Amino acid sequence: QQQVKQSPQSLIVQKGGIPIINCAYENTAFDYFPWYQQFPGKGPALLIAIRPDVSEKKEGRFTISFNKSAKQFSLHIMDSQPGDSATYFCAVSKPGANNLFFGTGTRLTVIP
Amino acid sequence: ETGVTQSPTHLIKTRGQQVTLRCSSQSGHNTVSWYQQALGQGPQFIFQYYREEENGRGNFPPRFSGLQFPNYSSELNVNALELDDSALYLCASSLQGAPEAFFGQGTRLTVV
Repeated sequence: QQQVKQSPQSLIVQKGGIPIINCAYENTAFDYFPWYQQFPGKGPALLIAIRPDVSEKKEGRFTISFNKSAKQFSLHIMDSQPGDSATYFCAVSKPGANNLFFGTGTRLTVIP
Repeated sequence: ETGVTQSPTHLIKTRGQQVTLRCSSQSGHNTVSWYQQALGQGPQFIFQYYREEENGRGNFPPRFSGLQFPNYSSELNVNALELDDSALYLCASSLQGAPEAFFGQGTRLTVV
């Protein structure tokens, strides 16, 4: 059973556009919501993460929006660049848990 | 500060053989988790090691086993390899109790 559902599966945007990737979960016990960026042949790199006590977090060009009531969170990439082309994964975990549950990934392509 | 390193980067094994993958955790981290990432999928939690003991396990059979050493490095052992074991195996290090996990570059295992 997938603990977190991610969409879209793939996304193509023009340079400078703002791609948005969405994730939804059911279990309200989750309290940590990270996003990872993965380039081909590499491991996932932690990009940004949010806790449920805030609705938005920004780090550079990356923003997480969090809607606790809807049990959804999303990643926005401002002024996207070709170098942002990668696969993005959302994940969730419970307090004190020893593992992350990952979404199925979104393959982002930024066209110059 | 050194990041998470894994070895080898690539490996080809025959069905039925056994394999050992290695991971050195990030400096200062005391917990190591292993994930399996099939092609086109998100990482799936195999197990975690803390204080040289298994500290949680995902839905993987007993032929997947591990070790953690006093210096916090870890090994993943897989016995009786099956074709479906072909995947990218990722090691993540963290501090026990903290949700942030940092991944290595992975070991690409191909079973033929």
